[in-house]
Amino acid sequence: DQQVKQNSPSLSVQEGRISILNCDYTNSMFDYFLWYKKYPAEGPTFLISISSIKDKNEDGRFTVFLNKSAKHLSLHIVPSQPGDSAVYFCAALLGTYKYIFGTGTRLKVLA
Amino acid sequence: DAGVTQSPTHLIKTRGQHVTLRCSPISGHKSVSWYQQVLGQGPQFIFQYYEKEERGRGNFPDRFSARQFPNYSSELNVNALLLGDSALYLCASSPGSNWGTDTQYFGPGTRLTVL
Repeated sequence: DQQVKQNSPSLSVQEGRISILNCDYTNSMFDYFLWYKKYPAEGPTFLISISSIKDKNEDGRFTVFLNKSAKHLSLHIVPSQPGDSAVYFCAALLGTYKYIFGTGTRLKVLA
Repeated sequence: DAGVTQSPTHLIKTRGQHVTLRCSPISGHKSVSWYQQVLGQGPQFIFQYYEKEERGRGNFPDRFSARQFPNYSSELNVNALLLGDSALYLCASSPGSNWGTDTQYFGPGTRLTVL
């Protein structure tokens, strides 16, 4: 039972444009969400997080939006850069210690 | 500052064997979590340790065990290896004081292949 879903396995975007990565979840007990980026042969790197009491959190070029009623979150990257090409995972916190990860979306930013 | 380190980088074992994977957290971090990432999937939670005590475990069989040492480093042990245990094993460390909302910092992983 996949509680965190990333339905787009891949996404290609032109450099300078907006990248939008989506994530859906099923468990209403989740109250903290994160996005991680992963390059080949490296571990995931934390990007940005959001608590369920907020609907938006911004950090530089990265913004995460949370729609609790739709159980949906999205990561916006503006402007997209070739160095952003990586696999992006969304994750949700269950309880106090367990992160549930999605299956990832491979982003390719074209120069 | 050194990040999370894991050893070995790669490992090849045969079915039925035992394996030990090692993790050194970021200096000052007291919590270590272990994840299994099978190809094409996201990381799956195995264990979390804080101050040498198991804080939680995921849905993995008893063949999987772990421990944390006084210096906060950790070992993940897997007994009676199965082909399905082939995966990237990730270790993540966090300060540990804020439970789940502490950011977890991941190491590069150990790639385990079971033949």
